Amino acid sequence: AQSVTQPDIHITVSEGASLELRCNYSYGATPYLFWYVQSPGQGLQLLLKYFSGDTLVQGIKGFEAEFKRSQTSFNLRKPSVHWSDAAEYFCAVGGSAGGTSYGKLTFGQGTILTVHP
Amino acid sequence: EPEVTQTPSHQVTQMGQEVILRCVPISNHLYFYWYRQILGQKVEFLVSFYNNEISEKSEIFDDQFSVERPDGSNFTLKIRSTKLEDSAMYFCASRGLVSYNEQFFGPGTRLTVL
Repeated sequence: AQSVTQPDIHITVSEGASLELRCNYSYGATPYLFWYVQSPGQGLQLLLKYFSGDTLVQGIKGFEAEFKRSQTSFNLRKPSVHWSDAAEYFCAVGGSAGGTSYGKLTFGQGTILTVHP
Repeated sequence: EPEVTQTPSHQVTQMGQEVILRCVPISNHLYFYWYRQILGQKVEFLVSFYNNEISEKSEIFDDQFSVERPDGSNFTLKIRSTKLEDSAMYFCASRGLVSYNEQFFGPGTRLTVL
């Protein structure tokens, strides 16, 4: 069964500081990995995705994530956080269609990011 | 840029009533999904739909739930007899045939069951 763990429920950083949000996954094959961001009362916006190839992927809003197969991790990073980055961040894992999977995504619990001025 | 839309944005209903949540996926997409998020909890998969039939469903998706694609554009989730615990944000998502499972989410419908 596929699963995602985000060990940090709430993280607080100062504006301009660096950020790393942790994500560990469990998946039986090569996973497709995603980070989504959700602002209060809003839907889910895709930040970035990993399918294959280069393990360091770039996303929107200056975010990046690194896939580490040996550690089953896909941590999200940003070198300098802006106040507008305050939101909830979800890591998700899924696979391709075929076999018994039609691509359902399994999400982590989410990490709430607070940014202090 | 094409987007997934959902209506209504907020639905309030009495326990035991039927509700229908509506979604318009991106027009050339072929896989459709419903997820839900109970307040303060993670997003949970409910059901996937492909080729006019359910392709996968979770244990949450019991006989009270059904999905339908009544025409070429809409994708609906029906809850026959709502319960208090059905109160949640419901998200529709869609993806194309060759998209490495990149799902595009709608803004959600907040369902409140009283």
